This record gives sequence, structure tokens and C-alpha cells, in this order.
Amino acid sequence: GEDVEQSLFLSVREGDSSVINCTYTDSSSTYLYWYKQEPGAGLQLLTYIFSNMDMKQDQRLTVLLNKKDKHLSLRIADTQTGDSAIYFCAESMDSSYKLIFGSGTRLLVRP
Amino acid sequence: DAGVIQSPRHEVTEMGQEVTLRCKPISGHDYLFWYRQTMMRGLELLIYFNNNVPIDDSGMPEDRFSAKMPNASFSTLKIQPSEPRDSAVYFCASSPLAGAARETQYFGPGTRLLVL
Repeated sequence: GEDVEQSLFLSVREGDSSVINCTYTDSSSTYLYWYKQEPGAGLQLLTYIFSNMDMKQDQRLTVLLNKKDKHLSLRIADTQTGDSAIYFCAESMDSSYKLIFGSGTRLLVRP
Repeated sequence: DAGVIQSPRHEVTEMGQEVTLRCKPISGHDYLFWYRQTMMRGLELLIYFNNNVPIDDSGMPEDRFSAKMPNASFSTLKIQPSEPRDSAVYFCASSPLAGAARETQYFGPGTRLLVL
């Protein structure tokens, strides 16, 4: 079955790098996504990676995909207090347009 | 583009009342999704539409929930009668049919529902 797992909580100091990890089960996923949710707001698409890629970099964000281990990570460089939010990993279901979301990782950035 | 628009942003109602949540997807998007988010269950897909037609409603919790999409620019999620356990944040999202990452979903701000 489909399942996406994330650790629940991560705390880092401002200026450090944050690494949020995710594991997924569906090897047929086409795209994998990272969404950000700030308090009281909807989910905001941060970045996505196509399943035939190993890495994608977008400014302070680096996504790494290990297809063999079905492991996805999001690295945020120079983490700022404004990065404090819940980060959701999601995988797309092959040809169904459904997304399966993880439970979210709450990132707390300490000054 | 205004993004996905949802209304109301907040709704407080009493148990047994009918609740109607509304969504306007991004213009030109062919897919529309309704999600429910709670602390206990996380983000759950309730139903999604393609070109106004419901494709998968397996996530709808029970018959008290219904969703419609009468045209490409409007969808409703109705709960009748509402119960306290329906209290949650309900999100609408839309997705384009084609292009890079066509499964990418764009979320609305959500409707926070409290059933007393």
C-alpha cells in the first residue's frame, strides 16, 4: 500500500542547515513534492522532483532523491526564522493524479 | 492569478446544521481536490474531480458528506447534518491537466470548521 513517513519534529538554530527526511513506498511515483504550511494557512508548494532525477536545487532548497531506498530529503540552507513551519512530503500516484501526503515535519528555527 | 479561493474562511455551527464549503479553482485547471486536515488524521483526500466529474470519492467519510462541481469554476462540499467530529480544516486544491509536473496541486487557504 501507499505510505509516506516523516519525522514529526526538527529544531535548528538560525543560520544552520535543516534537513527534513521522508520515506515513501510507491516505486511507481512520478513526482515527489515538498509543501510548506505556515500557521493558519494552506499548503504552499515549495519544490518538486521528477522520479528520474537524483537532485534538484532551487536557491536555498536542495532536494535529494534516493530511489533505491525510496528516501527523499529537503535541505534548507541558512535556515531563517521565517522557515519555521510544517513541511509535508508527498508522492504522486501513478497516473491517478492523487497525492499521498506524509504527516508533516514541524520545523522550529531558534534565534 | 488569484490562486484557489475558498469561502468561508471560518465557520462555526451547531451540531445537526448543514454546512456548505465553497471553492473556486485556478482558471484553466482541470482537476479539483477536497482535503480534510485534523491533528489526529493529518491530511486526508476526500474526493477529486476531473473536468467537473467526480473521479474518486473513496475518501468521503460517510453519506453526510457530498460534493458537487456544477462548472469548471466552482465546487461545493456539503455536510448534512454536521457533527462535532467533522471539525477540521477543509482544503480545496486544483491542478492543471498538462505541462511539467501536471500532478502539482495548488492549495487554497482552507476553511476552518468548528461544529459545536
